[in-house]
Amino acid sequence: QQQVKQSPQSLIVQKGGISIINCAYENTAFDYFPWYQQFPGKGPALLIAIRPDVSEKKEGRFTISFNKSAKQFSLHIMDSQPGDSATYFCARTGNTGKLIFGQGTTLQVKP
Amino acid sequence: EAQVTQNPRYLITVTGKKLTVTCSQNMNHEYMSWYRQDPGLGLRQIYYSMNVEVTDKGDVPEGYKVSRKEKRNFPLILESPSPNQTSLYFCASSLSPTGTTEAFFGQGTRLTVV
Repeated sequence: QQQVKQSPQSLIVQKGGISIINCAYENTAFDYFPWYQQFPGKGPALLIAIRPDVSEKKEGRFTISFNKSAKQFSLHIMDSQPGDSATYFCARTGNTGKLIFGQGTTLQVKP
Repeated sequence: EAQVTQNPRYLITVTGKKLTVTCSQNMNHEYMSWYRQDPGLGLRQIYYSMNVEVTDKGDVPEGYKVSRKEKRNFPLILESPSPNQTSLYFCASSLSPTGTTEAFFGQGTRLTVV
């Protein structure tokens, strides 16, 4: 099974700070690396995604950085806000269209 | 409104009592799947379906069954639930099985087996 290893497990950031979540994967057989955001009591929802032929993708305050040679990708949340407090999952597509998720990071942004 | 609907949201049952968790999507998506979410393990795929009458096992299929008789519905069946199936379950759908399209998740079903 192609795993995705995500860190840290939990993260506390002050309002206005930068939140950084890292993920590592095992091979490059597949070509889609999404991040999902999950609020308590809700299902995950797509936040942002990247293909490995792109090194960086930015959408508002959220940026994915992709390092293909190191087999790593990360999510940066700039100017973190209390409303960003949620659980974040990195993922990659597997064969059959399966999403292979990381273990999740619980982010708390303190006011 | 485009959505994936799961029922029930919460369920407490006893070991061995068969149960079904329903899932319905209104987006005409071909691809549907079930995941379970456990602390420290993320979400793991149980079963998936690429279209009507086409289903296959995911990573953790033991103890579960599914069916896909209609495009919109994809129920998850636990024929003889056990305590290790206590978990948070999510149904998801996406337009195609290529994996590069967005997956839409339901609200989740929290199952407790005692």
